[in-house]
Amino acid sequence: DAKTTQPTSMDCAEGRAANLPCNHSTISGNEYVYWYRQIHSQGPQYIIHGLKNNETNEMASLIITEDRKSSTLILPHATLRDTAVYYCIVSLGFGNEKLTFGTGTRLTIIP
Amino acid sequence: DAMVIQNPRYQVTQFGKPVTLSCSQTLNHNVMYWYQQKSSQAPKLLFHYYDKDFNNEADTPDNFQSRRPNTSFCFLDIRSPGLGDAAMYLCATSSRPSTDTQYFGPGTRLTVL
Repeated sequence: DAKTTQPTSMDCAEGRAANLPCNHSTISGNEYVYWYRQIHSQGPQYIIHGLKNNETNEMASLIITEDRKSSTLILPHATLRDTAVYYCIVSLGFGNEKLTFGTGTRLTIIP
Repeated sequence: DAMVIQNPRYQVTQFGKPVTLSCSQTLNHNVMYWYQQKSSQAPKLLFHYYDKDFNNEADTPDNFQSRRPNTSFCFLDIRSPGLGDAAMYLCATSSRPSTDTQYFGPGTRLTVL
């Protein structure tokens, strides 16, 4: 699986959009980009995933660059409950069970 | 609500005393995973079951074993816990081949005295 690089920590003001970057320059053509988050003392929670196209769901949007070497997770209107560690994971997806978690980004939402 | 349940949420054991952690799911997923997460670290996969097929990670110590008696339940057995095994243990499920999204339980925090 390709490795990912994320900033160690970020702050975002409550109500603003939180943009979390991820570099995955060695991603291969059949690998997906997954985002999970882990709120303190809870299990990780799936947020969104994508292959090539930008994706949006009720939680977030995922923007993947055309060369697929980086992506950005966008939380459109951050709330205090979005404070968590966000993990960007590259995985073969369909047919591959393994998620290899990196160090993640600790996002703190500031009131 | 369908979910992944882990019991107990907190477990204290003594050095060298066997301990079993349990996970159950109501999602009817065919894959179940066990992860270990030490303080301030990312989760690390120990092993997983795809239906009844057990898949061990190469670097998982022999001290860790798992059982899956049926679709709904999966157990993590630590035969002789050491102080270094103190961690959060996370159970997750997924439904192959329809999706690889994993659904995690709340975790069991293990303390070794």
